[in-house]
Amino acid sequence: GAVVSQHPSRVICKSGTSVKIECRSLDFQATTMFWYRQFPKKSLMLMATSNEGSKATYEQGVEKDKFLINHASLTLSTLTVTSAHPEDSSFYICSALKGTEAFFGQGTRLTVV
Amino acid sequence: KQEVTQIPAALSVPEGENLVLNCSFTDSAIYNLQWFRQDPGKGLTSLLLIQSSQREQTSGRLNASLDKSSGRSTLYIAASQPGDSATYLCAVWAGANNLFFGTGTRLTVIP
Repeated sequence: GAVVSQHPSRVICKSGTSVKIECRSLDFQATTMFWYRQFPKKSLMLMATSNEGSKATYEQGVEKDKFLINHASLTLSTLTVTSAHPEDSSFYICSALKGTEAFFGQGTRLTVV
Repeated sequence: KQEVTQIPAALSVPEGENLVLNCSFTDSAIYNLQWFRQDPGKGLTSLLLIQSSQREQTSGRLNASLDKSSGRSTLYIAASQPGDSATYLCAVWAGANNLFFGTGTRLTVIP
């Protein structure tokens, strides 16, 4: 297998502030990482595909200026939720691609108050 | 666009029973199919990956099958245990970087 570490696991922030979530592949290099969001009792929704050294590809309906993704190295991708609002409260999960298999982080529970 | 459906949405079984979870997808042109487990509020754990050229994969008490032509996969869990209680997600790789998830089956194994 392979290990993907996501940090933090939980975060509470005030409306209007920004929050950064890190996704690290610990024992392999990942050219491609994915960011997902999960609403209660719903399946995962892909937000964006993060490619090392280039701009992320966002899915339709996802605001790229609100959800900033940076994939600066082969082992780290970050998702920054800017000017967070209560409706951004959700469970965010990243995954990293190793070959053709995806390995997932533990997820981050974001609560915006 | 690929659509992935999982039936049933929820399932409760007594401990020790064997069970089958179903996954269907609309476009048979897939790369791979992957089964995951998600515990409440946690990330996903990959259970089994079936490549498009394979028919099944086994890991311990788990067996996953793939029938591309009919657009179906099943996850068989033998001798279920309370620790198997979780949501099981099926995901289809429609390309190297395109992963489509089903809505999941919430399994409860009753001691």
